Amino acid sequence: GQNIDQPTEMTATEGAIVQINCTYQTSGFNGLFWYQQHAGEAPTFLSYNVLDGLEEKGRFSSFLSRSKGYSYLLLKELQMKDSASYLCAVRDQSGGYQKVTFGIGTKLQVIP
Amino acid sequence: NAGVMQNPRHLVRRRGQEARLRCSPMKGHSHVYWYRQLPEEGLKFMVYLQKENIIDESGMPKERFSAEFPKEGPSILRIQQVVRGDSAAYFCASSPIASTGDTEAFFGQGTRLTVV
Repeated sequence: GQNIDQPTEMTATEGAIVQINCTYQTSGFNGLFWYQQHAGEAPTFLSYNVLDGLEEKGRFSSFLSRSKGYSYLLLKELQMKDSASYLCAVRDQSGGYQKVTFGIGTKLQVIP
Repeated sequence: NAGVMQNPRHLVRRRGQEARLRCSPMKGHSHVYWYRQLPEEGLKFMVYLQKENIIDESGMPKERFSAEFPKEGPSILRIQQVVRGDSAAYFCASSPIASTGDTEAFFGQGTRLTVV
């Protein structure tokens, strides 16, 4: 099975930087995803990590440490439109097939 | 290149009726996941299907819920004898292959089921 933990809520100021952490436990790790979900909408893909290190994509970066079972999503130069839930998802292949399991999501509120 | 299509977007059912939710994956995708999201909660895995096969249904309630992905046509999530607690958003995601790479799952817009 899998266990994914992330904070339920965070608040940050427009223009600032925020880091959203995710810890996981899985027996057959095969990649970690971050998704953004605005209220009432479908999740949209942000980033993917399978090797240790930092992946940068514009204002968003994602970091992975497989030995620590830890990832974070870094959002720079926050904008009001970044207010959304951010979902950490882990792909596991221990059952002989791929399965993607999501954390509960971190609800980020960006304030002026 | 259409994305993942779910219909209906909104569905209202009375208690005891059946709900059928449809998902057409992206072209070329043969793997489908169904998730349920209760208000203010995260996505909960329900079932993972490939064409004509249920691979993992560990997240499906034991009764009233079933899913299929036939050789032709969309994937169907069926909820029989709906109850108020079934009210939620049901998301479908599809991916092209299951083995490796940054093949993220693409989500449909979801079906919001309301049981009255």
